[in-house]
Amino acid sequence: NAGVMQNPRHLVRRRGQEARLRCSPMKGHSHVYWYRQLPEEGLKFMVYLQKENIIDESGMPKERFSAEFPKEGPSILRIQQVVRGDSAAYFCASSPRTGTSYEQYFGPGTRLTVT
Amino acid sequence: AQRVTQPEKLLSVFKGAPVELKCNYSYSGSPELFWYVQYSRQRLQLLLRHISRESIKGFTADLNKGETSFHLKKPFAQEEDSAMYYCALVEAAGNKLTFGGGTRVLVKP
Repeated sequence: NAGVMQNPRHLVRRRGQEARLRCSPMKGHSHVYWYRQLPEEGLKFMVYLQKENIIDESGMPKERFSAEFPKEGPSILRIQQVVRGDSAAYFCASSPRTGTSYEQYFGPGTRLTVT
Repeated sequence: AQRVTQPEKLLSVFKGAPVELKCNYSYSGSPELFWYVQYSRQRLQLLLRHISRESIKGFTADLNKGETSFHLKKPFAQEEDSAMYYCALVEAAGNKLTFGGGTRVLVKP
């Protein structure tokens, strides 16, 4: 089991461009979580998804950010019209089923730099 | 809203010395508390859960509900313990982890 995969590992975007971050959960896991880590801060929850459903998006900024976890393929975190403040490390985690949030396995993260 | 505070950003100790990482939380209900660790160039991984009450790699953590603390301790630090440590909580029956700001531990030879 290769673990949670994220790509790209590093992403550079100019202000105003779109950023797409991908997360493939561990085999057999149907729950995905996205976290953001700003410089010198801890990880902050953004969104929790199951296949084809957004369960909790209370940590998502109201504008420009969206997430999906389609029936087939990876989960995608999309940031439109990026700004410098979006520069951060974005981590994805997956867990096998409901009620096992403590069994979150983390990916290596995508480091987004907005120039 | 729940909050996790790790007051020390950096802890530097000598090998063989005790190490204690402080974690305080605020949450009105009964949360689950965890310690996560990130070694250099590795991904974040679970170290301890308060419910399991076990010792992992010599580390222990006791939940003190009166003081709302979940400090991580190891009596004799090793160089391989050098890493970033994050305290986290999840609300009862919840899904999202709330993390503290992290403490970098540096164990010197």
